[in-house]
Amino acid sequence: DTGVSQDPRHKITKRGQNVTFRCDPISEHNRLYWYRQTLGQGPEFLTYFQNEAQLEKSRLLSDRFSAERPKGSFSTLEIQRTEQGDSAMYLCASSTDRHYEQYFGPGTRLTVT
Amino acid sequence: QQQVKQSPQSLIVQKGGISIINCAYENTAFDYFPWYQQFPGKGPALLIAIRPDVSKKKEGRFTISFNKSAKQFSLHIMDSQPGDSATYFCAALWGGTGGFKTIFGAGTRLFVKA
Repeated sequence: DTGVSQDPRHKITKRGQNVTFRCDPISEHNRLYWYRQTLGQGPEFLTYFQNEAQLEKSRLLSDRFSAERPKGSFSTLEIQRTEQGDSAMYLCASSTDRHYEQYFGPGTRLTVT
Repeated sequence: QQQVKQSPQSLIVQKGGISIINCAYENTAFDYFPWYQQFPGKGPALLIAIRPDVSKKKEGRFTISFNKSAKQFSLHIMDSQPGDSATYFCAALWGGTGGFKTIFGAGTRLFVKA
């Protein structure tokens, strides 16, 4: 399968714990995006990378959130000191830098209890 | 200025009918307008997209109509099928040296009755 993959698909954690999600983009895509989607809403942009550089961050990305893409391939999104309001689907997408078409992964469903 | 307003929130269409979903945007800097289809528990899948220099684009049963002056665009699904039952999202993007922005609509839940 050459699509975008995300791991884990589901994560249940207790409030206050840290969680980390991984995204593997389509191999020739040098742009990688993170979104958050809550029930009944469209995805909300969090941040994006071009290669290993993080070029844009939404105001939604509080200081408890950090994203990395150390070698310009896979990316991780870490949430520290999780809160119940962090419960959502976290989506990753990738694209080339010459086209706007973004291809999404299946998402990681986070539940904070 | 950054919103993308999508309507209707939900839509029921008979099999074989036409499904029409509308979106309106405010920021004229947007220069790419995709539509995504999402099934429960899955990520959004790109259906079709248009740039503002084109007024209509058709791919199979899916057509985007774009009205630049009104800042509106719509998705038409011809010959709607039960398998089309999903949530549809419009989006608006711009990107360049000045930065990157992508805004999604709130979604339309489509149900096609057999």
